Amino acid sequence: DQQVKQNSPSLSVQEGRISILNCDYTNSMFDYFLWYKKYPAEGPTFLISISSIKDKNEDGRFTVFLNKSAKHLSLHIVPSQPGDSAVYFCAASNSGAGSYQLTFGKGTKLSVIP
Amino acid sequence: ETGVTQSPTHLIKTRGQQVTLRCSSQSGHNTVSWYQQALGQGPQFIFQYYREEENGRGNFPPRFSGLQFPNYSSELNVNALELDDSALYLCASSSNPPHREGYGYTFGSGTRLTVV
Repeated sequence: DQQVKQNSPSLSVQEGRISILNCDYTNSMFDYFLWYKKYPAEGPTFLISISSIKDKNEDGRFTVFLNKSAKHLSLHIVPSQPGDSAVYFCAASNSGAGSYQLTFGKGTKLSVIP
Repeated sequence: ETGVTQSPTHLIKTRGQQVTLRCSSQSGHNTVSWYQQALGQGPQFIFQYYREEENGRGNFPPRFSGLQFPNYSSELNVNALELDDSALYLCASSSNPPHREGYGYTFGSGTRLTVV
């Protein structure tokens, strides 16, 4: 039973255009959401997060949108750069549970074409 | 910041054997979490240790066990290895309570375990 779903295994985008990565969740107890980026042979690195009390959070080229009613979040990267090519994981957490454990999706492999 | 170091990077074991994976936490972090990432899947939470005590556990059987030491380094032990235990094992250190956005998790590069 996947509680966090990333339904697109891969995405290709031209350099300079917008990349949109999507994520859906089913557990209503999740109230904090994170995006990680992973290069081969490296551990995931944190990109951006959003609390359920917000619907948008921006950090430079990265913006995360949260639609609580639809249990859906998306990561926008504008403009996309070749160095953004990596696997992106969506993760969710119940911040009230105390252990801050993360539930990850399967990831979306983003390829930015020069 | 020293980052998170995991050893070994790769390991091959035979079904039924036992394995110990090691993790050195980032300086100043008092919490360590372990995740299993099977091929084509996202990381899956195994358990977390805070001040040398287990502080949360995912859906993994008891043959997965851990230790956290006073210097905040950690071990993941897996007994009676099965073929399905083949995966990348990731260690992540953090502070409890979290001090930074995104809980401040720092992940290591992982140990690739192959069970044959």
